[in-house]
Amino acid sequence: EDQVTQSPEALRLQEGESSSLNCSYTVSGLRGLFWYRQDPGKGPEFLFTLYSAGEEKEKERLKATLTKKESFLHITAPKPEDSATYLCAVQARFGGSGNTGKLIFGQGTTLQVKP
Amino acid sequence: GAVVSQHPSRVICKSGTSVKIECRSLDFQATTMFWYRQFPKQSLMLMATSNEGSKATYEQGVEKDKFLINHASLTLSTLTVTSAHPEDSSFYICSARVRGRLIATNEKLFFGSGTQLSVL
Repeated sequence: EDQVTQSPEALRLQEGESSSLNCSYTVSGLRGLFWYRQDPGKGPEFLFTLYSAGEEKEKERLKATLTKKESFLHITAPKPEDSATYLCAVQARFGGSGNTGKLIFGQGTTLQVKP
Repeated sequence: GAVVSQHPSRVICKSGTSVKIECRSLDFQATTMFWYRQFPKQSLMLMATSNEGSKATYEQGVEKDKFLINHASLTLSTLTVTSAHPEDSSFYICSARVRGRLIATNEKLFFGSGTQLSVL
């Protein structure tokens, strides 16, 4: 069964304190791994898509990396406005989700950055 | 990027009533739309996949007769929660896949802003 597990569940950082969020996954052939940001009461906002092990993508203070078993979202020198829930999702290459674009989400990591 | 409009953003209703949530793709055609629900501090759980002009595909454990999905056009999908009960209270989110795009370019999967349903 395809599964996504994120850790930690919650993370509190001081402004400027860099850290990483983890997303571990098991999937029957990975088509893509996605990172989204979600603010309270809002829909997810797309951040990155990673397709193969070794791939890295960056956007401002965020950098996403991918291995065969997990992905990391590195946050460098975070600011209070980076506070949000970060969601990881996978799309399988074969089977129902690979044919429809269905994403399987992790439970998210809620990040709080204090000034 | 493309915009997915979801309406209403918040609805409060009495137990036993039905509630309709709309999901519109504003500047693109969406052959496939997905409906998720999210409980507080939990992940998004896929409820169903709807394709324009055909019946929706429901995930295991989701009641088809309770959560009616209609995808009548390439820009509109609706979710109707029939005979709502307090346990149906949740955050419902739709997402849309751009027509003609390959699955691999899933960054073209855009999400609506969500609907918070509270059933009293």
